[in-house]
Amino acid sequence: DAMVIQNPRYQVTQFGKPVTLSCSQTLNHNVMYWYQQKSSQAPKLLFHYYDKDFNNEADTPDNFQSRRPNTSFCFLDIRSPGLGDAAMYLCATSSGQGASETQYFGPGTRLLVL
Amino acid sequence: GQQVMQIPQYQHVQEGEDFTTYCNSSTTLSNIQWYKQRPGGHPVFLIQLVKSGEVKKQKRLTFQFGEAKKNSSLHITATQTTDVGTYFCAVLKTGANNLFFGTGTRLTVIP
Repeated sequence: DAMVIQNPRYQVTQFGKPVTLSCSQTLNHNVMYWYQQKSSQAPKLLFHYYDKDFNNEADTPDNFQSRRPNTSFCFLDIRSPGLGDAAMYLCATSSGQGASETQYFGPGTRLLVL
Repeated sequence: GQQVMQIPQYQHVQEGEDFTTYCNSSTTLSNIQWYKQRPGGHPVFLIQLVKSGEVKKQKRLTFQFGEAKKNSSLHITATQTTDVGTYFCAVLKTGANNLFFGTGTRLTVIP
């Protein structure tokens, strides 16, 4: 089945130790998104790629970076995780062929910062 | 900036009771989407509304888009324990193609 895959499902890192979260998709969608979701809050968009074009949200900290080496894969790099970065990180995709498309979410990676 | 509020924030209902969540925007919307997120899960798309006054149904779920396209509602008839989760409305961010999620309504169904 076509889907959005995130690995790992749970990630533990140390304060200040760089960490990378990965996302892959078999939907062949043009757009890939990264969201941060803290407990009892709505998903908050960090950035997205439209093909190779990177779009950063204005309030996304510089600590967060992203890479999209090809259509299928997208990575979220947290350069120096702080305790406040502990959250669920959701990857999503959309086809990019319309202005109001459905987004398909992966299962998420829950990040714990010690 | 974009303001999308959902009420209530939490709702506890007895199984079999009805449930409604409301989404209100400060600006006119081009469309609105609804997502459901089960506890420990990820958001799953439910439906999209585009037209003023539009009403769509999915089994026990009824979705409405207001005439002024500034508000929307999701109504569940005769809730079941499988309806448990957080329901988010989502709208296009002003001037962009990205979704802005509402604050969500967490539904608990008591058996």
